[in-house]
Amino acid sequence: DQQVKQNSPSLSVQEGRISILNCDYTNSMFDYFLWYKKYPAEGPTFLISISSIKDKNEDGRFTVFLNKSAKHLSLHIVPSQPGDSAVYFCAASDWQAGTALIFGKGTTLSVSS
Amino acid sequence: DVKVTQSSRYLVKRTGEKVFLECVQDMDHENMFWYRQDPGLGLRLIYFSYDVKMKEKGDIPEGYSVSREKKERFSLILESASTNQTSMYLCASLSSGSGAETQYFGPGTRLLVL
Repeated sequence: DQQVKQNSPSLSVQEGRISILNCDYTNSMFDYFLWYKKYPAEGPTFLISISSIKDKNEDGRFTVFLNKSAKHLSLHIVPSQPGDSAVYFCAASDWQAGTALIFGKGTTLSVSS
Repeated sequence: DVKVTQSSRYLVKRTGEKVFLECVQDMDHENMFWYRQDPGLGLRLIYFSYDVKMKEKGDIPEGYSVSREKKERFSLILESASTNQTSMYLCASLSSGSGAETQYFGPGTRLLVL
């Protein structure tokens, strides 16, 4: 059973608009959440993270929101740029227990100019 | 800069062959991971290691084994390659004393099993 779910396989957005990528999780023990970005033929690179004691974390154009009661997090990219076109993976971990990251299936974001 | 390197970017092997995928990190990280990435399935954890000679099964260990004889090197072994092991394999490393965002990935090895 999937513990981290990204239900939208793909998302298309126009340059300058907001991109919202969603992620749901089932394990209430998860206490650390991350977003990774992956270009073709490259390894994933860390983008932004949030711990369970926060509900928002911002880094430039990227903001992650966490709703613990709904077990839902989202990544907002504003404004979206063509270079943001990539696969975005949501990941979660029970960091206190030292478990490995669990990844979602990924969402392919396409930003058109 | 942390560097995670993987021995090959592309590999073509035949069914039944024994395949070794090597991963080396240069930051003295305790933890190392092997994932595979498949379209529509995302990143799935195969095996990980918290220390030299230690290994833990991930979500999909069947058909794979690993070896960690030295801290910097984590090898993934396909004992008898099969076509359903055609995939992109990603190695990662992480320091125990750092946050999860310091999990660094290698560039990946794209394996084709014929």
